[in-house]
Amino acid sequence: DVKVTQSSRYLVKRTGEKVFLECVQDMDHENMFWYRQDPGLGLRLIYFSYDVKMKEKGDIPEGYSVSREKKERFSLILESASTNQTSMYLCASTPNGGRYEQYFGPGTRLTVT
Amino acid sequence: GENVEQHPSTLSVQEGDSAVIKCTYSDSASNYFPWYKQELGKRPQLIIDIRSNVGEKKDQRIAVTLNKTAKHFSLHITETQPEDSAVYFCAASITSGTYKYIFGTGTRLKVLA
Repeated sequence: DVKVTQSSRYLVKRTGEKVFLECVQDMDHENMFWYRQDPGLGLRLIYFSYDVKMKEKGDIPEGYSVSREKKERFSLILESASTNQTSMYLCASTPNGGRYEQYFGPGTRLTVT
Repeated sequence: GENVEQHPSTLSVQEGDSAVIKCTYSDSASNYFPWYKQELGKRPQLIIDIRSNVGEKKDQRIAVTLNKTAKHFSLHITETQPEDSAVYFCAASITSGTYKYIFGTGTRLKVLA
């Protein structure tokens, strides 16, 4: 059974804190993605990774960084959290090829106060 | 830049009626077009997809059509049921060495009993 997990379902952090969101997949997928979901804006790509230690910026990378040290694990880092980063964060993975289903994690609802 | 427009943003239909959601993409090289359904509080899940060498695909009450010339694709749900109520997202693949997906902004479908 395909599985993508995220480290937390709900997270509350203070402005200025460093925040780590972790995603793990057990499908040996090459590609992993971090999205941000806001009402009316859909799913916006923050960063993605196509191999260990490889990453590319998505549409809204400002204020975020990522790390992929192992194939199964992709971390999103908020260097200094701000209130406008309050959102739902979704991780996804997919095999190589660009024509395959993305498998999503359950999401992390992050609130920055 | 790459873009996917999705309409309408909200759609209400009577149970048993049909629902149609339309998307337009900008990158003519896109060759994979998935549709995801996201129920309240849950992760997005693939319901149907179509590849660029096919004009139409059907799976029971759900169908997707693709017009590559016009760069648009549509989701059709027939005989709608209350459990079809959800947010639906279209997406288009962007293949330029690496693989990523651009999502539409979502359509909230309400099926009225």
